[in-house]
Amino acid sequence: QKEVEQDPGPLSVPEGAIVSLNCTYSNSAFQYFMWYRQYSRKGPELLMYTYSSGNKEDGRFTAQVDKSSKYISLFIRDSQPSDSATYLCAMSENLAALIFGKGTTLSVSS
Amino acid sequence: SQTIHQWPATLVQPVGSPLSLECTVEGTSNPNLYWYRQAAGRGLQLLFYSVGIGQISSEVPQNLSASRPQDRQFILSSKKLLLSDSGFYLCAWSAAVGGGEKLFFGSGTQLSVL
Repeated sequence: QKEVEQDPGPLSVPEGAIVSLNCTYSNSAFQYFMWYRQYSRKGPELLMYTYSSGNKEDGRFTAQVDKSSKYISLFIRDSQPSDSATYLCAMSENLAALIFGKGTTLSVSS
Repeated sequence: SQTIHQWPATLVQPVGSPLSLECTVEGTSNPNLYWYRQAAGRGLQLLFYSVGIGQISSEVPQNLSASRPQDRQFILSSKKLLLSDSGFYLCAWSAAVGGGEKLFFGSGTQLSVL
């Protein structure tokens, strides 16, 4: 079993939809959980950061960590065409060993 | 505020040629620095990280090397490029921000080895 699994998509939704992106992991020692957004040919941009567990909300974005199920989610409300990008989950016990999912490609149509 | 500069944005090199990619960070002292490679369909792979000048840890044995000659400068090199070295190379730095340590990326270098 891979340490971090992420559905690559692509995921296509209409503008205004609620988007749910997910990752599962196998290592119960992970305590850093992040979501990055990456536009084509650009470096990943840190969207959400959670240490240990719980939920975090920032504008239209909500990150959830369920350590009992080893499952993290990113929700995007009122999705916009500008949200079209690849979303990467990342997690680890420490940053030197940060493990990334392969990314989910999201397309929001107007 | 902290910024990270990485160049060039695009590079096309022949097989067997040398490589030097440079990354600098501004607005912070003694950052942890990282080099990642992102290949199509393979996700982000950590190549090297550094916790200080002259201190380099290699995560993957390969045709590449890294150096940190100054506190905020990180260089990725190769003496002879292989076709398999093609990919998107990303420099990153980490810092304790807002109660936790976070990783921030540069804009990346798309390397094509032909």
